[in-house]
Amino acid sequence: DAGITQSPRHKVTETGTPVTLRCHQTENHRYMYWYRQDPGHGLRLIHYSYGVKDTDKGEVSDGYSVSRSKTEDFLLTLESATSSQTSVYFCAISESSGQGLYNEQFFGPGTRLTVL
Amino acid sequence: AQTVTQSQPEMSVQEAETVTLSCTYDTSESDYYLFWYKQPPSRQMILVIRQEAYKQQNATENRFSVNFQKAAKSFSLKISDSQLGDAAMYFCAYRARLGGFGNEKLTFGTGTRLTIIP
Repeated sequence: DAGITQSPRHKVTETGTPVTLRCHQTENHRYMYWYRQDPGHGLRLIHYSYGVKDTDKGEVSDGYSVSRSKTEDFLLTLESATSSQTSVYFCAISESSGQGLYNEQFFGPGTRLTVL
Repeated sequence: AQTVTQSQPEMSVQEAETVTLSCTYDTSESDYYLFWYKQPPSRQMILVIRQEAYKQQNATENRFSVNFQKAAKSFSLKISDSQLGDAAMYFCAYRARLGGFGNEKLTFGTGTRLTIIP
């Protein structure tokens, strides 16, 4: 299994509080991603990173920010959590494909976040 | 933007029988990858099978095979000899072939929950 851990694995918080989720990899892969999974929506991309300090928005980025100060860590922050952000959050990693070569995207175990 | 559609929220099949899960997609690209992922109750995302759009031959992995119809933008998954361990949520996903700066990201369908009946 790819070396990806997420912390915490479960969290319950209240509306309006800040929350930070951490993704840590030991694979030295360039790309890191945050997805959220909701019933009826599948997995949707929140933000991704293509290198240290290089990040960009995905399709559901409102209310989220990210940071990547080291290759191995990718943090997802909810500045002021809302009930609509109750979800399961997945981190994923991949090496850069380049020239059309294929590199698999590996997923972490997920974090279940509940915002009351 | 690319979209992926799975029109079957739930499917069930008798153990040892064959089941086909459907997926359609929309893209303006000519070269891309398509995937089927399995998510068992453990929540772990597991890659089942990958299809490269420039290859006409349908991908197979043991009991799992795909029917890739590029012109129709259809990508179905066939599971033969269904086993209890196949029970899971299955997601279809798309990725552009050329990598770099956002092209690596996956676009997922909404999923199909597969139940295996003993």
